[in-house]
Amino acid sequence: NAGVTQTPKFRILKIGQSMTLQCTQDMNHNYMYWYRQDPGMGLKLIYYSVGAGITDKGEVPNGYNVSRSTTEDFPLRLELAAPSQTSVYFCASSKKQGLTVETSGKNIQYFGAGTRLSVL
Amino acid sequence: GESVGLHLPTLSVQEGDNSIINCAYSNSASDYFIWYKQESGKGPQFIIDIRSNMDKRQGQRVTVLLNKTVKHLSLQIAATQPGDSAVYFCADLSLLTGRRALTFGSGTRLQVQP
Repeated sequence: NAGVTQTPKFRILKIGQSMTLQCTQDMNHNYMYWYRQDPGMGLKLIYYSVGAGITDKGEVPNGYNVSRSTTEDFPLRLELAAPSQTSVYFCASSKKQGLTVETSGKNIQYFGAGTRLSVL
Repeated sequence: GESVGLHLPTLSVQEGDNSIINCAYSNSASDYFIWYKQESGKGPQFIIDIRSNMDKRQGQRVTVLLNKTVKHLSLQIAATQPGDSAVYFCADLSLLTGRRALTFGSGTRLQVQP
């Protein structure tokens, strides 16, 4: 299994340009997430999805859009790139689990290698 | 608001010593905690997790301690090696919210001196 794959690894955008960050996972995970990581900071949740056709906002959704047409893919769209969106973007996935706390391991999120985006 | 934070931004230890990385959390509803390791240029990698009904959990060379009274979490690395040099994040989760999204702290950089 390749796990979580993100493309591209690097990208430079001009202000106002649009782009899509791709994320795919081959672990048949229902849950997928997009985070951004600014320099010297932790990860902040942008959007997440609990299954195909279902998405929801995280902490910092403004300026982004997502879609989840398949279990495997969870692309992140930037419509009008701004310098504030310069960051490293990580996609992650995890198994679906119930509301009760069962054995550890089901809640582990597996991360891709990241996309480093600069908006100039 | 609710947050997960860390006491020290950088920790420098000698190779072979034990390392202790601390983390404070503020969400009393958190019932699951995870430590991640992030090497330069890579995504976070799972190290160890612990449920809120446990005080301690051990893995290979790592131990996580949870003190719910003071909302404190720590990661202990035994016999620290140069390969342990990375940024370590704690994260928490409230399983009852249904969101399944982690709240991350800002990270501690561990530097292992040879």
